[in-house]
Amino acid sequence: GAVVSQHPSWVICKSGTSVKIECRSLDFQATTMFWYRQFPKQSLMLMATSNEGSKATYEQGVEKDKFLINHASLTLSTLTVTSAHPEDSSFYICSARDRTRSNEQFFGPGTRLTVL
Amino acid sequence: DAKTTQPTSMDCAEGRAANLPCNHSTISGNEYVYWYRQIHSQGPQYIIHGLKNNETNEMASLIITEDRKSSTLILPHATLRDTAVYYCIVRARTNNQGGKLIFGQGTELSVKP
Repeated sequence: GAVVSQHPSWVICKSGTSVKIECRSLDFQATTMFWYRQFPKQSLMLMATSNEGSKATYEQGVEKDKFLINHASLTLSTLTVTSAHPEDSSFYICSARDRTRSNEQFFGPGTRLTVL
Repeated sequence: DAKTTQPTSMDCAEGRAANLPCNHSTISGNEYVYWYRQIHSQGPQYIIHGLKNNETNEMASLIITEDRKSSTLILPHATLRDTAVYYCIVRARTNNQGGKLIFGQGTELSVKP
């Protein structure tokens, strides 16, 4: 299947700082990527849809000024958690849709964010 | 997207078949049934998907009832490495920007020696 990578795989930061997470489609182009968040013992929650060259679409209840998404190329989307607080500590997972594989969605390995 | 109902947890003996059920009684005609699994602290892994016919690949088989209101994922010979949370998702398969994958709670499958 198609490969999606995330960087970093884990990050620890101080409260009030901003953290950027990268999501890359390694062997295909992705006009659409998705960002999910997962708290311990819970399911994945879709945060936003990232569209190449246009603004992201956020799910209800997700603060767009808090979670900045940029999809500047067909292989890269970034999620920036601004002014992070301990309650933002979570597992962030991206996925990318592959047009050449009937728009099937492939997931990255996730990024563990811990805010102290 | 239509919602799905899955048992919270299941056990399976190593080497035996694991049969994971899923109810999707409100599925619409253009929605497919997808199965993903998530091993602890990893991203979800695609397993299989189908519309109305039974499907099989190297990982699993998918049996969809004739009325499409339920399905069963079958892992024919479960191994310890199949221990994971299994998600059944219904999604419209489109060529445009629609069809988001919305995850429910899934079934936590424990394969025991």
